[in-house]
Amino acid sequence: SQQGEEDPQALSIQEGENATMNCSYKTSINNLQWYRQNSGRGLVHLILIRSNEREKHSGRLRVTLDTSKKSSSLLITASRAADTASYFCATDLYGNNRLAFGKGNQVVVIP
Amino acid sequence: DTGVSQNPRHKITKRGQNVTFRCDPISEHNRLYWYRQTLGQGPEFLTYFQNEAQLEKSRLLSDRFSAERPKGSFSTLEIQRTEQGDSAMYLCASSFRDSNTEAFFGQGTRLTVV
Repeated sequence: SQQGEEDPQALSIQEGENATMNCSYKTSINNLQWYRQNSGRGLVHLILIRSNEREKHSGRLRVTLDTSKKSSSLLITASRAADTASYFCATDLYGNNRLAFGKGNQVVVIP
Repeated sequence: DTGVSQNPRHKITKRGQNVTFRCDPISEHNRLYWYRQTLGQGPEFLTYFQNEAQLEKSRLLSDRFSAERPKGSFSTLEIQRTEQGDSAMYLCASSFRDSNTEAFFGQGTRLTVV
């Protein structure tokens, strides 16, 4: 069954604004990963954050992890039209990439 | 090696027919995963291999589904006696065995059962 649940499900923002998505999960994890998927395409890995990490950055992306609340957030700063995509969080319980995905966040960036 | 390759990209089949998909992982990766994704949902885990050994199968993988990775390189996923409910995107991913390493996904095979 799917473990991650993203909130909000759909987000529409103007180019240049920041976009924040949250993900909650139910059980203890080894790591949590965020992926992006453009319509009808495969998934692209964005960031992996380990259970003993609290924050991680990659370019315009910032991910936080709060294991006490079993939640994570993905922040995209200074969004661009090319950021329009679905964003998924996925939990890895044992560090073996056997991932449990949430339902995803549809983000639309309006030029 | 430019990434994980899946073939075919699209497959339309009649209900009751058998279909087979192929996945070529990144050559250095010893782990290979299959996921299924239906419209509006996140991918769901089906099975994974470490080299040629199939280490886990999801309950989603009914007896009509079989996956192989005979030489520890490419993998095939076969669906026998397809049903309309099998229509989905089938995604393959690969990774190193080491913990906390990212998985790389292919573009997927979209199956439509008519």
